[in-house]
Amino acid sequence: AQSVAQPEDQVNVAEGNPLTVKCTYSVSGNPYLFWYVQYPNRGLQFLLKYITGDNLVKGSYGFEAEFNKSQTSFHLKKPSALVSDSALYFCAVRVRGILTGGGNKLTFGTGTQLKVEL
Amino acid sequence: GAVVSQHPSRVICKSGTSVKIECRSLDFQATTMFWYRQFPKQSLMLMATSNEGSKATYEQGVEKDKFLINHASLTLSTLTVTSAHPEDSSFYICSARGQGWEETQYFGPGTRLLVL
Repeated sequence: AQSVAQPEDQVNVAEGNPLTVKCTYSVSGNPYLFWYVQYPNRGLQFLLKYITGDNLVKGSYGFEAEFNKSQTSFHLKKPSALVSDSALYFCAVRVRGILTGGGNKLTFGTGTQLKVEL
Repeated sequence: GAVVSQHPSRVICKSGTSVKIECRSLDFQATTMFWYRQFPKQSLMLMATSNEGSKATYEQGVEKDKFLINHASLTLSTLTVTSAHPEDSSFYICSARGQGWEETQYFGPGTRLLVL
């Protein structure tokens, strides 16, 4: 079974400050990790993904995430937050290389509401 | 990134009627499409997975006779909520993924269903 934990329901940060949204995962096999962002009453927008290779992954809108295998984490970061970054962020995991059964499905965390204030 | 559309974006219907929601991949062929349901302030709940040309695989607890899924082509999947009831009111989101295990799953903008 695979699972994702986002330990913080909400993260508050001042505009211009760095932000971190935490994610840890559990999966049998090598992980395929994603971050998505959701604005109110909208679907999910893809931010970035980790398949293999460099542990630091850069994505859309200046976001990046670091894969840490020993800590089974994939925290989302941005050096300087913007008010427009305020949204709901989801971390998700899938088993790398498998398209059948449970490995076909993305498992999502519960989401972290990011609030960036002036 | 790839674009996935959903139609309608919002629908209000009377209890007992059926509602069809379309999900289209606009610029890629989606061998697999997924249907999710999201309750307010909660994560996405996977309802079913559909592969083009075959029957959908439903998650445990999801009534396949109530939530009919058709994936007739590589760019279109439909979800029909049959005999809708107020408790079916929710935000329904589809996603699509191309062929290959490394493919990213892209999401539609969602459909807000309100059953009166």
